[in-house]
Amino acid sequence: KQEVTQIPAALSVPEGENLVLNCSFTDSAIYNLQWFRQDPGKGLTSLLLIQSSQREQTSGRLNASLDKSSGRSTLYIAASQPGDSATYLCAVREVETSGSRLTFGEGTQLTVNP
Amino acid sequence: KAGVTQTPRYLIKTRGQQVTLSCSPISGHRSVSWYQQTPGQGLQFLFEYFSETQRNKGNFPGRFSGRQFSNSRSEMNVSTLELGDSALYLCASSSQGAKYEQYFGPGTRLTVT
Repeated sequence: KQEVTQIPAALSVPEGENLVLNCSFTDSAIYNLQWFRQDPGKGLTSLLLIQSSQREQTSGRLNASLDKSSGRSTLYIAASQPGDSATYLCAVREVETSGSRLTFGEGTQLTVNP
Repeated sequence: KAGVTQTPRYLIKTRGQQVTLSCSPISGHRSVSWYQQTPGQGLQFLFEYFSETQRNKGNFPGRFSGRQFSNSRSEMNVSTLELGDSALYLCASSSQGAKYEQYFGPGTRLTVT
C-alpha cells in the first residue's frame, strides 16, 4: 500500500528566505507526482506536475524535483513571501489495473512572516 | 476555460439523512475523481469515473456511491449519514489517463449534526 510522508509538518520562516519541503513515498510504481497548495477551507491549487520520467519541473519561484528510485521529491521555494503561507501537499499518481488514484501526504503548513 | 465547479459549497444535514453532491469538470475533461478531506485522515480517495464508468474505488463503505453522466458531470451520494461523514468533499478532473494533471474544485463542506 502506497504511503506518502511529508516533512516537516509545519514550518515558519521570515520573508525572503529560501526553503525546501520534503515528500517521500514507499512504492516507486507511479505515473507522476503533483504538488498542490491549499489555503484554509479552500480547494487544492496545482503547483507542479512531474512525470515519472522527469527529474524536475520549474514554475516561477518554485522548483520541484523527483527521485523515483529513492521515493523522494522536494519542493523548493525561492525568496518566500507572506502570500506563500498555505498548506503544501504532495500526491503520487499510482498505477493500477483499473484507473488510477492520487495518494496524498499529510501536508506541510507553511507560514511566512513579514 | 472555467475551472471545476462543485455545488453546493456548504451543506448541513442530520444524521441518518442522505446527501447528493455535484461536480462539473473542466470542459473536455472526461475523468472525474472524488476525495474526502478530514482533519484526522487527511485526503482520501473515494472513486474515479471515466466515460460514465467507475474506474477505481477507494476503501469506503457502500453508503458512498457515485455516477457520471454523458456530459462528464458527476454526482456522489452518501446515504444514512453519520457524524464521521462531516468533511470537505473535493472533486478533481483531468483530460484523460493518469499522466495528466489533476485540477480540483473548491469543495463542498458537509456538516452532519
